[in-house]
Amino acid sequence: DAGVTQSPTHLIKTRGQQVTLRCSPKSGHDTVSWYQQALGQGPQFIFQYYEEEERQRGNFPDRFSGHQFPNYSSELNVNALLLGDSALYLCASSFLTRLGEQYFGPGTRLTVT
Amino acid sequence: ELKVEQNPLFLSMQEGKNYTIYCNYSTTSDRLYWYRQDPGKSLESLFVLLSNGAVKQEGRLMASLDTKARLSTLHITAAVHDLSATYFCAVDLDTGNQFYFGTGTSLTVIP
Repeated sequence: DAGVTQSPTHLIKTRGQQVTLRCSPKSGHDTVSWYQQALGQGPQFIFQYYEEEERQRGNFPDRFSGHQFPNYSSELNVNALLLGDSALYLCASSFLTRLGEQYFGPGTRLTVT
Repeated sequence: ELKVEQNPLFLSMQEGKNYTIYCNYSTTSDRLYWYRQDPGKSLESLFVLLSNGAVKQEGRLMASLDTKARLSTLHITAAVHDLSATYFCAVDLDTGNQFYFGTGTSLTVIP
């Protein structure tokens, strides 16, 4: 079992550009959540996907959007990048009905210049 | 909005000493988690506490949960250098794995 995987590992983008980050959940997991972790801070919940629908959303602007595919993998899209979007983006997977067992991926480090 | 606060934010301790990290949260929840994060790395799950009075121990770390006080503690016994990392607590409301993380405690164990 490969666990939660994310790609790419690192990414450098320019202000105003768009970015897509990808996540493959742990085998069998049906729920994917995305978190943003700015330097020196705790992760903040962006949104959660289940059955290809956005189930919950944190306090993030509409520039942040996502998608879940039938195989449960997920993408996070960020439009009109700002310098403040520079962060480590973490994907976590779980079973919706099994609370507390959430596994985090290695993260994607996004730098916006 | 749920707030999760940890203290201290920074902790420097000598090897062999004991210390406790505190995690306070602002709303009712009986699910609390502790994670460890090494620099540039992802989150490693340490403890899952799912009821009032829960206590779990792994090696030199012990975590407890008091849901009435909305408080969790992470106790470090006889610290060793390998424990140097940032420790986060996280609270989960009844919404299903939407975690609210604390501010983190950066621990440095000095030989």
